[in-house]
Amino acid sequence: SQTIHQWPATLVQPVGSPLSLECTVEGTSNPNLYWYRQAAGRGLQLLFYSIGIDQISSEVPQNLSASRPQDRQFILSSKKLLLSDSGFYLCAWSTSGGGYEQYFGPGTRLTVT
Amino acid sequence: KQEVTQIPAALSVPEGENLVLNCSFTDSAIYNLQWFRQDPGKGLTSLLLIQSSQREQTSGRLNASLDKSSGRSTLYIAASQPGDSATYLCAVTGTGFQKLVFGTGTRLLVSP
Repeated sequence: SQTIHQWPATLVQPVGSPLSLECTVEGTSNPNLYWYRQAAGRGLQLLFYSIGIDQISSEVPQNLSASRPQDRQFILSSKKLLLSDSGFYLCAWSTSGGGYEQYFGPGTRLTVT
Repeated sequence: KQEVTQIPAALSVPEGENLVLNCSFTDSAIYNLQWFRQDPGKGLTSLLLIQSSQREQTSGRLNASLDKSSGRSTLYIAASQPGDSATYLCAVTGTGFQKLVFGTGTRLLVSP
């Protein structure tokens, strides 16, 4: 069966510090991968999606970047965090192709102080 | 631009009641619609996926319907239980890529 992991589970970082969140998927190959953010009082927003290694699209202009160094690994990064980057970050995967369910990881709670 | 709205924002019911959560979307050109459950501080659990060609899907006490032409979906929960307490989110996928556009959710509280 497929599983999705995210780490760390929680993170407290000062403004201006770098960020690296990791997501890995097991039990499937060539998945589509996604990063979402859920900010307080706001809905879930898609940040990045990837249909393959080195194929990453950004949905919104922001202080963040994403990379996919391996087929089942998706990394969210920032060089300098802003207060507005605080939120709950969720990674998700779906089978490549179209029309399939997205499955979400347990999330990372990021607090920028 | 697709917009998804969920009504009500919050709902409190006694255990055993049947209830309906509503989801509406502005662009009927969707590929599918997904209902999720989110417990506090946790990730999302997929409950039901309805393809655009389908009218409804059922899983246990849950039944989701889709009326694509009117831009509406409902999630029906039968015989509610305290363990059903959570935030329920609906999301739609457009005919382009598979990215989901989420509603803001309905927070459900089922009292024993």
